[in-house]
Amino acid sequence: EVQLVESGGGLVKPGGSLKLSCAASGFAFSSYDMSWVRQTPEKRLEWVAYISSGGGSTYYPDTVKGRFTISRDNAKNTLYLQMSSLKSEGTAMYYCARHKERGSALFAYWGQGTLVTVSA
Amino acid sequence: DIVMTQSHKFMSTSVGDRVSITCKASQDVGTAVAWYQQKPGQSPKLLIYWASTRHTGVPDRFTGSGSGTDFTLTISNVQSEDLADYFCQQYSSYMYTFGGGTKLEIK
Repeated sequence: EVQLVESGGGLVKPGGSLKLSCAASGFAFSSYDMSWVRQTPEKRLEWVAYISSGGGSTYYPDTVKGRFTISRDNAKNTLYLQMSSLKSEGTAMYYCARHKERGSALFAYWGQGTLVTVSA
Repeated sequence: DIVMTQSHKFMSTSVGDRVSITCKASQDVGTAVAWYQQKPGQSPKLLIYWASTRHTGVPDRFTGSGSGTDFTLTISNVQSEDLADYFCQQYSSYMYTFGGGTKLEIK
């Protein structure tokens, strides 16, 4: 069974940093592209980072480019999201998501999320 | 970026009815559209991709259609467990974007 378990969320001040982790199990982690997707308190979904299966390619939307860094450790079956210069708009539930297959743009499996609150 | 618009934030239907949820893209995305279902307290689940292909295990009461800029998710014979938020997503561009969601209420 595919399992994705996020951790690392919490309360952070504007301008602060936070690193999220996602522990994967139940599938060959190193064979799948992964992403982070966040959901705002208004329920809006926003994709925030993508990484290829081997880690060689990463993509970000302009809203977080230069502030967020996605990475992975295939030996530890773990995905990461380093967030810096956080803004209040960053308050959201952050989900890690496994793509349907290598090269697919579809989010086939999602974790339960970790909540990030950006507030003074 | 491509904007996906779900014009109905809320829709109400009854068990056994058929309901259609719409999504409009700001530019031609071909058939690169997926639909996700998010039940209360849960994370989103993939329902439909390439506009009309059901994901593994999705009941055939869920049907997707459309191409270009206009897309529809139709649920036939609505069941009480279909109470959820439904989101469309485009993946024509690498900057993946989602619609704002439609909350389906069961009368």
